[in-house]
Amino acid sequence: KQEVTQIPAALSVPEGENLVLNCSFTDSAIYNLQWFRQDPGKGLTSLLLIQSSQREQTSGRLNASLDKSSGRSTLYIAASQPGDSATYLCARSNDYKLSFGAGTTVTVRA
Amino acid sequence: KAGVTQTPRYLIKTRGQQVTLSCSPISGHRSVSWYQQTPGQGLQFLFEYFSETQRNKGNFPGRFSGRQFSNSRSEMNVSTLELGDSALYLCASSLETGERAEAFFGQGTRLTVV
Repeated sequence: KQEVTQIPAALSVPEGENLVLNCSFTDSAIYNLQWFRQDPGKGLTSLLLIQSSQREQTSGRLNASLDKSSGRSTLYIAASQPGDSATYLCARSNDYKLSFGAGTTVTVRA
Repeated sequence: KAGVTQTPRYLIKTRGQQVTLSCSPISGHRSVSWYQQTPGQGLQFLFEYFSETQRNKGNFPGRFSGRQFSNSRSEMNVSTLELGDSALYLCASSLETGERAEAFFGQGTRLTVV
């Protein structure tokens, strides 16, 4: 069974602190690993895509790593801001579908 | 560049009715997939289409169906609605398949069954 787990389920940090969000998956046979952001009642916004042949991707304050051997991906958000408050979801891709974790809800306190 | 467009944004239906949701992918994208999001189950895969062919289907009853047209637009249909079908339905499109297939999502259709 393919499972994606995200820990912690919720996180509250003061503004300026770095965020570390974890994602683990049980099957290393993936095409890619994608991180999304979701604001309440909205759709998903793609943040980073890490192909299975890559180990990390970076975009601005965001950096995501992928370790297929251990079945883990980590999203780092540097110098958090109140606007970073949202739910962050990771999803592994294979068999023409995405399998999602339950997400980590982040609150950045001003 | 227009994103993924889902219509309608909100729907209220009565138990037993049927509903059709529409998704227009990003121009040039040929893969369209559908997901159901509920507070209890999270995001669950419904089905995926590529060039009008369904390539994968999630574990949902036969009341849930979909199709894709030649212009890559997709529709999903839910017949004989149940209260438990209330959810946010999300559509995603991607340009390619395989490991370069970055998925882009629409804003979703919020379906409420009463």
